[in-house]
Amino acid sequence: EVQLVESGGGLVQPGGSLRLSCAASGFTFSSYAMSWVRQAPGKGLEWVSAISGSGGSTYYADSVKGRFTISRDNSKNTLYLQMNSLRAEDTAVYYCAKGLCSGGSCSLWYYYYGMDVWGQGTTVTVSS
Amino acid sequence: DIQLTQSPSFLSASVGDRVTITCRASQGISSYLAWYQQKPGKAPKLLIYAASTLQSGVPSRFSGSGSGTEFTLTISSLQPEDFATYYCQQLNSYPRSTFGQGTRLEIK
Repeated sequence: EVQLVESGGGLVQPGGSLRLSCAASGFTFSSYAMSWVRQAPGKGLEWVSAISGSGGSTYYADSVKGRFTISRDNSKNTLYLQMNSLRAEDTAVYYCAKGLCSGGSCSLWYYYYGMDVWGQGTTVTVSS
Repeated sequence: DIQLTQSPSFLSASVGDRVTITCRASQGISSYLAWYQQKPGKAPKLLIYAASTLQSGVPSRFSGSGSGTEFTLTISSLQPEDFATYYCQQLNSYPRSTFGQGTRLEIK
């Protein structure tokens, strides 16, 4: 069964740090780009960060650039999100998601058309 | 940045109704558009990708169309399990992507 399981969320004070993990199973993890998407309470979905299958390319939303770091360990089939200098506005459910690649090499961004597998989400609350 | 605007933001409909949700992009995105369904407390579920391709396992009452800047998601005959929030997502600038603000579909 294709599955993503997030962990690492919790309550943290403003300015603090957390590291989220996303354990993947049921597919060749290293072949696919992965993303983090968050959802603040009562709000819509916001793309946060993405990483290529090899881990060599990373991308961030402007709202988290310089504070968050995405990484992956393909030997452990695990995706990470290191979150530093956390702010109240980072409070959200964080989802990891697998890129849907179709019609060509999954190492090329233009063959990605969506996110077909999502984790159950992990909640991050930033509050004093 | 490419912005997506969904309309309507809220929709009230009955079981058996045909409903259409529109997603407009601030610039052309070819067919790099996906649709998701999200129920309360659950992760989003991919319904449609590449604007009109039905994801495996998704009922055929869901369909998508459009290209460029205007896209639609249609549910041909609403079922009780379809009441949820729907989001569009553009992937033209993938891996950077953006979502629409969502359309909440409720039972009339």
